[in-house]
Amino acid sequence: DAGVTQSPTHLIKTRGQQVTLRCSPISGHKSVSWYQQVLGQGPQFIFQYYEKEERGRGNFPDRFSARQFPNYSSELNVNALLLGDSALYLCASSVGQAAKNIQYFGAGTRLSVL
Amino acid sequence: AQSVTQLGSHVSVSEGALVLLRCNYSSSVPPYLFWYVQYPNQGLQLLLKYTSAATLVKGINGFEAEFKKSETSFHLTKPSAHMSDAAEYFCAVSTTSGTYKYIFGTGTRLKVLA
Repeated sequence: DAGVTQSPTHLIKTRGQQVTLRCSPISGHKSVSWYQQVLGQGPQFIFQYYEKEERGRGNFPDRFSARQFPNYSSELNVNALLLGDSALYLCASSVGQAAKNIQYFGAGTRLSVL
Repeated sequence: AQSVTQLGSHVSVSEGALVLLRCNYSSSVPPYLFWYVQYPNQGLQLLLKYTSAATLVKGINGFEAEFKKSETSFHLTKPSAHMSDAAEYFCAVSTTSGTYKYIFGTGTRLKVLA
């Protein structure tokens, strides 16, 4: 079975631009979470979506938004990019929204903002 | 609010020696605790999880961790290090208190010396 897939794998943008990252969860998983991992740090929780609704949100500005589609895939959008948005963006899927569920991670999208 | 602290951003051990990676958590409600491993240019992979069953949790690749409520700790151990264990390790906590949040520590990079 395919794992969590993310696209694109790498992306280069300039300050002020907008970016959309995509994630396809493991088949049968209904929850998708997004994380930002800055070099040398642990992943920071951005959003969790379950059944197309936002179920959790981390301490990120409104420039960050996401949505989940009927097939449970998800997109993360970041507007007005800043240099500090340069990071590895990880998507994780799980069976449900419960806090005890194991999260399965994709390989990430590396975003560079110039 | 919950938080995770990983003591030691870098740990070096000799091949065959004991691996001990430290994690302390803070949570106002019973936590779920996880250890993940990240190899270069990859996503995170679950090693083990604690979800209020047995306090000694066995995971993959010979790793185990013990939940100690009195010490608010969840340290990761492995009796004998292999070269292939060299990676970054993250402790994470989640709870069902309020909205969903999943908090990672800052990570410990394990180096295994021949």
